[in-house]
Amino acid sequence: EDQVTQSPEALRLQEGESSSLNCSYTVSGLRGLFWYRQDPGKGPEFLFTLYSAGEEKEKERLKATLTKKESFLHITAPKPEDSATYLCAVQATGGANSKLTFGKGITLSVRP
Amino acid sequence: EPEVTQTPSHQVTQMGQEVILRCVPISNHLYFYWYRQILGQKVEFLVSFYNNEISEKSEIFDDQFSVERPDGSNFTLKIRSTKLEDSAMYFCASRRIGQGGEQYFGPGTRLTVT
Repeated sequence: EDQVTQSPEALRLQEGESSSLNCSYTVSGLRGLFWYRQDPGKGPEFLFTLYSAGEEKEKERLKATLTKKESFLHITAPKPEDSATYLCAVQATGGANSKLTFGKGITLSVRP
Repeated sequence: EPEVTQTPSHQVTQMGQEVILRCVPISNHLYFYWYRQILGQKVEFLVSFYNNEISEKSEIFDDQFSVERPDGSNFTLKIRSTKLEDSAMYFCASRRIGQGGEQYFGPGTRLTVT
């Protein structure tokens, strides 16, 4: 069974204080690993897809990296508007319509 | 930028009643999904749909649930006889053709069963 574990559960940062969010995964075969942002009461908003170990993607203050067992979402000099829950999900190989298996998410609070 | 839309945003129903949740996927997307998120818990897969048939479903998606694409734009989730434990946010998602690829989520419908 595919599993995704995210840590820590919650993270409080001061504005400008860089940090990393961890996503560990177990999957029979990885088709893709996805990062989403979720604001309270809203749907997940797509951020990144990573397909193979060593791959990196960047968008503004966020950078996602992937190894064979985990992914990191690095946040550089965060701002209060980066406060949200960050979700990691994996998609397994086998079938064209593979579901996403999500972790519980990491709730990030950035204080001004 | 195209978006997935969902209606209603909030639905309150009594236990045992039928509800239909509606979604309009992004227009050139061909794969459709329903997920749910119980308050404080992780997002869980319910069902995937392609070429007018179910591709995969989870254990949650039992005989009380059904999906339909009644026309070229809408995608619906029906719960025949709601239970208290069906209370959750229900998200529709869609993606383009091809293997893998990101899924784009709608804003969700909050279902409250009383």
